[in-house]
Amino acid sequence: GQNIDQPTEMTATEGAIVQINCTYQTSGFNGLFWYQQHAGEAPTFLSYNVLDGLEEKGRFSSFLSRSKGYSYLLLKELQMKDSASYLCAVRGGGSYIPTFGRGTSLIVHP
Amino acid sequence: EPEVTQTPSHQVTQMGQEVILRCVPISNHLYFYWYRQILGQKVEFLVSFYNNEISEKSEIFDDQFSVERPDGSNFTLKIRSTKLEDSAMYFCASSEALAWGFERGWYGKLFFGSGTQLSVL
Repeated sequence: GQNIDQPTEMTATEGAIVQINCTYQTSGFNGLFWYQQHAGEAPTFLSYNVLDGLEEKGRFSSFLSRSKGYSYLLLKELQMKDSASYLCAVRGGGSYIPTFGRGTSLIVHP
Repeated sequence: EPEVTQTPSHQVTQMGQEVILRCVPISNHLYFYWYRQILGQKVEFLVSFYNNEISEKSEIFDDQFSVERPDGSNFTLKIRSTKLEDSAMYFCASSEALAWGFERGWYGKLFFGSGTQLSVL
């Protein structure tokens, strides 16, 4: 299976930039997803990386280094509505099913 | 944007009872999934379904669980005899396709429904 590690909680200020890290261990890596989940709601897709490098999508960017088993999600110009859990999910081990990490709870304060 | 719909949003049941959770995946999607999330814990995979059969399942998905696609639109999860530890939010998801090589636009992004909160008393 996959071993996925993320910080449990982070806090940041409105308007700032925050980086949420994810490290993983898996054989046969086949993609990494970032999802956002507001309390009591379903996860919603943010980004996907399968090749090394940075993927940018508006205020959100995601980076992957396969050799280091490392990814980060970068959130710029933070807004209060960005307060949520951010889930790193990895696909590998011969399966096409993403396995989710425990998520990072981000609290944005004024 | 098309969405996955789940019913009911909340289900309360007595231990030992059977429950059926219902989902309508996005219409042109081919792969269907059930995940669950116990309060405060991570999202856990239960089962995936493709071409009218289970393609993968986790250790959680034991003989008490079953899935079915009874018609062209619905996808159901049945728990035969619920236990207290089955209390969780159950998410249905669907995807258009799985990943093949590095084709960027065809990578099996999961679309989740809003979930069914199951409480077993």
